Order: sequence, then C-alpha cells, then structure tokens
Amino acid sequence: DAGITQSPRHKVTETGTPVTLRCHQTENHRYMYWYRQDPGHGLRLIHYSYGVKDTDKGEVSDGYSVSRSKTEDFLLTLESATSSQTSVYFCAISDWDRNTEAFFGQGTRLTVV
Amino acid sequence: AQSVTQLDSQVPVFEEAPVELRCNYSSSVSVYLFWYVQYPNQGLQLLLKYLSGSTLVKGINGFEAEFNKSQTSFHLRKPSVHISDTAEYFCAVSWNSGNTPLVFGKGTRLSVIA
Repeated sequence: DAGITQSPRHKVTETGTPVTLRCHQTENHRYMYWYRQDPGHGLRLIHYSYGVKDTDKGEVSDGYSVSRSKTEDFLLTLESATSSQTSVYFCAISDWDRNTEAFFGQGTRLTVV
Repeated sequence: AQSVTQLDSQVPVFEEAPVELRCNYSSSVSVYLFWYVQYPNQGLQLLLKYLSGSTLVKGINGFEAEFNKSQTSFHLRKPSVHISDTAEYFCAVSWNSGNTPLVFGKGTRLSVIA
C-alpha cells in the first residue's frame, strides 16, 4: 500500500469552528489532492497541490483552504465549518512521471453538528 | 468543464452472472482512464487503467474494460461475478495525459445477489 496517512480518521465538530485535516505521505509524490465524497455525487475535487507552496482550486473549493509547506504534508482547513461540509474527505497522491495512477488514503469522516 | 458520466447508480446482479458497468466521458483528447473500487468504509483501490495502446485492458479480480474513442466510453465488465464483488465502482478520467486531476463519475453500486 502507498504510504498515505490521514488524520484524524473521524471528527465531530460544531458549526462555526475551524477544522484542519492532515494528509501525510511517505512516497515523495509531487501531486497531492483533497476530495470529498458525498452520496450521489461521487468524489469531487476540493483543492490540489503540484508542489511545495503550489496549490490550485478544484470544483468545490468554497469554504476550504489548503497549505503545503513541505512535500510530505498537505493540510485542508475549514475556516468555519458548516453542516454542508459534513462528508468523507479523501487525500490522494500521484506522480505521473513515476506511477501512472493516483493512490488514496483511508478517508476522514467529518461530521459538523 | 470536462465530465464523467456513470449511467447506472445501482446494478443488482445474481452471483455468477456477467455484469457491465457503463462509463462515458466528455472528450477523448489525450485521456487517461481508470476504474476504482471502494469496499464499505475503505478507501479507493485501483481496478484497472488505460493509458495508451491496446483498447482492451485487464485488471485485478477478473475485471476488464474497453476504451472506445469514438463513443468516448470506458465500460467495465466481468464475465462472472462473486458475492465479494459487492462494492461501489468509480470511473475516473484525467485529461492531457495525467496533467490534470482525476475527475470522477458519481459511482455505481454493484450488489451481487446469492
């Protein structure tokens, strides 16, 4: 299995609080991604990174920010959590020059109450 | 925007019967195509991929898929399913030969009935 660790795996938080999810990789892959999975929507891209301090928005980026200060870590922050952000969040990594696929973490289940 | 369509949200099938899960995408320009499987409460696992070359791709667990450029399709097939194939299946596409993030379909839930 690719070395991807998401933390926490489960979290319950209150509306209006900030939340940070962490994705850590040991594969030295260039690209890192955050997706959210919701019933009936599949996986939708929130943000992605193509290098240290290089990030870009995805399809559903409103209400989220990201940071990547080193190759191995990609942080997703919900500045002020809302109930609509209750979801399962997946981190993925890829390096198309070395591996022709994306590898996924085990997911973080976030509930905003 | 580029899009991926999985035509069936749920597919029930009897054990040992064949199955086809359908996937269409919006443009065939320099695409990489993937099928992922997700078992309950787990992450996504790669089933198979098409990058170039032969249009018939074989993957793990007896699955295969065929790239059809003219129809912009990448349907997944298995000649005989098992109970253990019950899972959700996602088609994903990267345009420009991997230089864009994966775009996923909404998923197809395969239920194998004994």
